[in-house]
Amino acid sequence: QLQLQESGSGLVKPSQTLSLTCAVSGGSISSGAYSWSWIRQPPGKGLEWIGYIYDSGSTYYNPSLQSRVAISVDRSKNQFSLNLSSVTAADTAVYYCARSHGYYGYDWACWGQGTLVTVSS
Amino acid sequence: QSALTQPASVSGSPGQSITISCTGTNSDVGGYNYVSWYQQHPGKAPKLMIYDVSNRPSGISNRFSGSKSGNTASLTISGLQAEDEADYYCSSYTSSSTVVFGGGTKLTVL
Repeated sequence: QLQLQESGSGLVKPSQTLSLTCAVSGGSISSGAYSWSWIRQPPGKGLEWIGYIYDSGSTYYNPSLQSRVAISVDRSKNQFSLNLSSVTAADTAVYYCARSHGYYGYDWACWGQGTLVTVSS
Repeated sequence: QSALTQPASVSGSPGQSITISCTGTNSDVGGYNYVSWYQQHPGKAPKLMIYDVSNRPSGISNRFSGSKSGNTASLTISGLQAEDEADYYCSSYTSSSTVVFGGGTKLTVL
């Protein structure tokens, strides 16, 4: 059974870079043309799609975050990562990693439990 | 890209049916059959309920159904149960190869 687990710093200072990793277990990140995504949810608010990556390395980002975001895959560690630069308090949120339901999917069937990242000095 | 439009809240009594709408544009909901619906209980990760407008993943009750007409997609829950009380979000693929979510709808089971 596929499982995803987010990890990274729970507290980031303003203007610094937020870095998170999603460890994949129960399956290989290279097992097919799934899309691997990052999605976030500010406290008490709705979901916001950040971006996704394919095993090939192709990436697609939310236009509102594109200048600050980078998603990468590490096949050797079976994980993918999120870097978000120049963070502000508005980036405080629960960050989820997720995998698509099917190949080249735009729907997220398998989710991590989420990790809260707070931006504060 | 603008968020898809959902009603802030809907409610229904046990056994009844409710429908949640999700309105977008020709560049997202209306242009592709890639609309998904998610259920989220407090403090939990979202759960995929419907994908590709009207398909249910394995294990999802057939009380949940999805449809689309023009730029508006809909999620219908029939035979409402107490455990259906949750937040529901729609999402859609867009012409920019991105994904956009709706603002979310809080379902209250009376």
